[in-house]
Amino acid sequence: KAGVTQTPRYLIKTRGQQVTLSCSPISGHRSVSWYQQTPGQGLQFLFEYFSETQRNKGNFPGRFSGRQFSNSRSEMNVSTLELGDSALYLCATGSSGANVLTFGAGSRLTVL
Amino acid sequence: AQSVAQPEDQVNVAEGNPLTVKCTYSVSGNPYLFWYVQYPNRGLQFLLKYITGDNLVKGSYGFEAEFNKSQTSFHLKKPSALVSDSALYFCAVRDMDYGNNRLAFGKGNQVVVIP
Repeated sequence: KAGVTQTPRYLIKTRGQQVTLSCSPISGHRSVSWYQQTPGQGLQFLFEYFSETQRNKGNFPGRFSGRQFSNSRSEMNVSTLELGDSALYLCATGSSGANVLTFGAGSRLTVL
Repeated sequence: AQSVAQPEDQVNVAEGNPLTVKCTYSVSGNPYLFWYVQYPNRGLQFLLKYITGDNLVKGSYGFEAEFNKSQTSFHLKKPSALVSDSALYFCAVRDMDYGNNRLAFGKGNQVVVIP
């Protein structure tokens, strides 16, 4: 079966702009989580969506938001981009109650 | 909150030698522990997990991990390292305070296998 698909894979933005990243989960996976990976902070949890509802939220400012659609696809949005938002954004999906998350290849965001 | 610690930044090992990547955890209650590997410009790939049962867990690509409750450790091991094992390895614990699919990751260990 197809894996977790994240688009776009690479993007460059400037400070103040906004960005939307997309994640299509493995068929049947209803949980979608987002993580930010940076060299300094490592992997940090952003939020998790399940059945179109945000189930968990990490310690990030309100500029970071997300949503999930009825087909389980998820988007995350970052508004008013800052240089520190440059990171690899990883999406991870799982079935209800699953113990293992499957990660996508990530979207690498560079903010200039 | 639950947490894991990976004390070493980088592990160097000669090809063919045993590989060990260390991880210690701090949890309230029973731990759900995982190892993931990340190759350059890729996402994380699942290697193995410990939920319950045997303390020695076998996973993908010849990796195994030993759960030690008294030492609160979950070290990743491979009997004979390959050059292709060079990658970034993450230990993670399910953060049960917040729900099933929230993982707390260690900082990661860069493994370098020297030919």
